[in-house]
Amino acid sequence: EPEVTQTPSHQVTQMGQEVILRCVPISNHLYFYWYRQILGQKVEFLVSFYNNEISEKSEIFDDQFSVERPDGSNFTLKIRSTKLEDSAMYFCASKESNQPQHFGDGTRLSIL
Amino acid sequence: RKEVEQDPGPFNVPEGATVAFNCTYSNSASQSFFWYRQDCRKEPKLLMSVYSSGNEDGRFTAQLNRASQYISLLIRDSKLSDSATYLCVVKRAASGYALNFGKGTSLLVTP
Repeated sequence: EPEVTQTPSHQVTQMGQEVILRCVPISNHLYFYWYRQILGQKVEFLVSFYNNEISEKSEIFDDQFSVERPDGSNFTLKIRSTKLEDSAMYFCASKESNQPQHFGDGTRLSIL
Repeated sequence: RKEVEQDPGPFNVPEGATVAFNCTYSNSASQSFFWYRQDCRKEPKLLMSVYSSGNEDGRFTAQLNRASQYISLLIRDSKLSDSATYLCVVKRAASGYALNFGKGTSLLVTP
């Protein structure tokens, strides 16, 4: 069964550094998402992406964050000048039209 | 008011028991509803969509009450492998098809 893949599985970064989280969505999917889950809290929506542009973003997704689909397969989340409170699991998801979202197994981001 | 609210549990039940989880949502314009399952430190996985008429998938039954903005999940004949956190999920009303998650209800099935 096709899967959403995310790399790295664990990223450790110094506060203030930039980090890029990578995702390869399922190949025929058209809608892409990033979510995050702070330890012990609920999964929170960050951003959705369709047709090479952001279709929706949450209040969490401020100027510190950006997304890109640099080629036909990758979907990246960049966090500039990371803060301690950015430590979380980051999940990428993708979907076809009228189908549920499929989640990758996440990147655990630890900011020191 | 939180957009999706769930009783956090934990629910501790013996194998073979029937257990029910409830969820309420705040946005009456919401159109799509789901139950996801999340194992410790893993990604959410779709358990089932929830339809207005109610739907069943094996031991799992989901119900939706739009008037009360209430969703339920019933698990019959619980198995040890059902131990997980069950997430009530509602599609956001905006156009991106993004999801709003509840915090989840923790289930532990014991021998």
